[in-house]
Amino acid sequence: DQQVKQNSPSLSVQEGRISILNCDYTNSMFDYFLWYKKYPAEGPTFLISISSIKDKNEDGRFTVFLNKSAKHLSLHIVPSQPGDSAVYFCAAGTGGYNKLIFGAGTRLAVHP
Amino acid sequence: SQTIHQWPATLVQPVGSPLSLECTVEGTSNPNLYWYRQAAGRGLQLLFYSVGIGQISSEVPQNLSASRPQDRQFILSSKKLLLSDSGFYLCAWREVTVEAFFGQGTRLTVV
Repeated sequence: DQQVKQNSPSLSVQEGRISILNCDYTNSMFDYFLWYKKYPAEGPTFLISISSIKDKNEDGRFTVFLNKSAKHLSLHIVPSQPGDSAVYFCAAGTGGYNKLIFGAGTRLAVHP
Repeated sequence: SQTIHQWPATLVQPVGSPLSLECTVEGTSNPNLYWYRQAAGRGLQLLFYSVGIGQISSEVPQNLSASRPQDRQFILSSKKLLLSDSGFYLCAWREVTVEAFFGQGTRLTVV
């Protein structure tokens, strides 16, 4: 049972434009969500998180939006840069900081 | 500051051989510890997590086991590797914040 889904395996965006990465979840008990960035042969690095009591969180070029009624979140990167090219993972967890469930990832390619 | 060490970086093992991957965390106490696997072209699958010494929760039935002999040490083992155990193994830790921090990973190839 895939509780966190990233239905787009890849995304290609022109440098300077907006990148929008999407994530859907099925478990209404999740109360926080995270985005990670991963380069090949490296561990994922944390980007940004959002609590279920919020609908938006912003950090520099990165903004995460949460729509609880639709069980959907998205990561916006504006403006996109070539260094943003990586695999992006959405993750979700419940209170107690135990399990953290990841999606399958979306490969973002930012081209000049 | 906190750091996480995971080794080895790459490993090639024959089918049927044992496995031991080690992960240690510095600069924190009583962290939650995790083992994830990323199979080729797949997402991050949670294998095991631990909230304290000697406590292990298994997420998927498989050929692997985990142990936490010390507060900041997490070990992933197998008695006999299968071809399907190949993948990129990641250790992570987490304390009071929502985000988990990952090691650099071990690329395991079973031949």
